[in-house]
Amino acid sequence: DAGVTQSPTHLIKTRGQQVTLRCSPKSGHDTVSWYQQALGQGPQFIFQYYEEEERQRGNFPDRFSGHQFPNYSSELNVNALLLGDSALYLCASSLGGVAEAFFGQGTRLTVV
Amino acid sequence: QQQVKQSPQSLIVQKGGIPIINCAYENTAFDYFPWYQQFPGKGPALLIAIRPDVSEKKEGRFTISFNKSAKQFSLHIMDSQPGDSATYFCAASMGFGNEKLTFGTGTRLTIIP
Repeated sequence: DAGVTQSPTHLIKTRGQQVTLRCSPKSGHDTVSWYQQALGQGPQFIFQYYEEEERQRGNFPDRFSGHQFPNYSSELNVNALLLGDSALYLCASSLGGVAEAFFGQGTRLTVV
Repeated sequence: QQQVKQSPQSLIVQKGGIPIINCAYENTAFDYFPWYQQFPGKGPALLIAIRPDVSEKKEGRFTISFNKSAKQFSLHIMDSQPGDSATYFCAASMGFGNEKLTFGTGTRLTIIP
């Protein structure tokens, strides 16, 4: 049983560019959440997708957007990248209504 | 009110000792309190979790103690091993439809042989 998988594992982008990160949830899970983890900090909630809709959103600008597909996989898009967007981006999956969340290994984004 | 405060920031314990990591919260709407373990370059891994209707939960060498009236909870690691050296995060979330996790700032634990 595959856990949460994220791609790519590492990414280097230039300031002002756009990036798309991908996540496949754990088998049987239907809810995907995205978190940003800066170096030495705890993960910060970006948003959560359930039934292909954004259900909750954290304190992140509109440059951060997402999508969930019918197979429950998800994408995180970030436009107009800033140096401060450099972080580990984590995807977590869960079963709707259940609090237990499992994380992928993350995508390390570096903006130069 | 959304914060979860975690201490200490770092902790060094000898092998076999019992490291204790503490967290405190303000929002009484939180009803689920997990602990995650994270190794460098990896995503957080769920260790153990508790709900406010119990005061203690044990899973293997990991124990959560929960004090609802004080709004505090802690992680104890029994018979600690060098392989337990990692960063530990406490977190909290609310009920159905609001399961986003609010994380503490993390504790870097080092177990020395």
